Amino acid sequence: GESVGLHLPTLSVQEGDNSIINCAYSNSASDYFIWYKQESGKGPQFIIDIRSNMDKRQGQRVTVLLNKTVKHLSLQIAATQPGDSAVYFCAETVQGAQKLVFGQGTRLTINP
Amino acid sequence: ETGVTQTPRHLVMGMTNKKSLKCEQHLGHNAMYWYKQSAKKPLELMFVYNFKEQTENNSVPSRFSPECPNSSHLFLHLHTLQPEDSALYLCASSSLAGGRETQYFGPGTRLLVL
Repeated sequence: GESVGLHLPTLSVQEGDNSIINCAYSNSASDYFIWYKQESGKGPQFIIDIRSNMDKRQGQRVTVLLNKTVKHLSLQIAATQPGDSAVYFCAETVQGAQKLVFGQGTRLTINP
Repeated sequence: ETGVTQTPRHLVMGMTNKKSLKCEQHLGHNAMYWYKQSAKKPLELMFVYNFKEQTENNSVPSRFSPECPNSSHLFLHLHTLQPEDSALYLCASSSLAGGRETQYFGPGTRLLVL
């Protein structure tokens, strides 16, 4: 069945370092993936997305990598800042579906 | 601000109470969603509305009753809830219903059922 999960529930990095958050998915039919960021007291906020016909997409300080062979998704955040401290979720969907399937979430803490 | 507001932000209710959660979006979207976020569990979709019509009910117990009077407003009526229903309830909206549409979330209502 479809499921999305995260390898690590927590991650701590030093401010200024790069961070990598990982996500595994099991539905080989999934063709669209999204990363969300949820800060304390707020709802999830869209960060970046990627379609299955791509293996890399870059945004401002963020890069998403997709490895369909091993069904793995990662979010790289460059030069982390205190404001990057949050819980990060990956989500997947298939074409035509009305819903997203969310992963467990990884809590990223940026240490000063 | 995401353009999606939710009230109340916090709610404590007994198992025999009736309460309602409200969501309003100011983005001109046509689809609205209710999600449940529990501790240590993935975000769970509850309901989807597209142009005021319910298009998805993710096997939600009948003690949760959604209402969508127009594309800008969404309610979740709560009745005889259980303690395990305590969670953060998130509302979201998107231009159209669909997994590929970017969803904008409200801040959520933190619900505690005693």
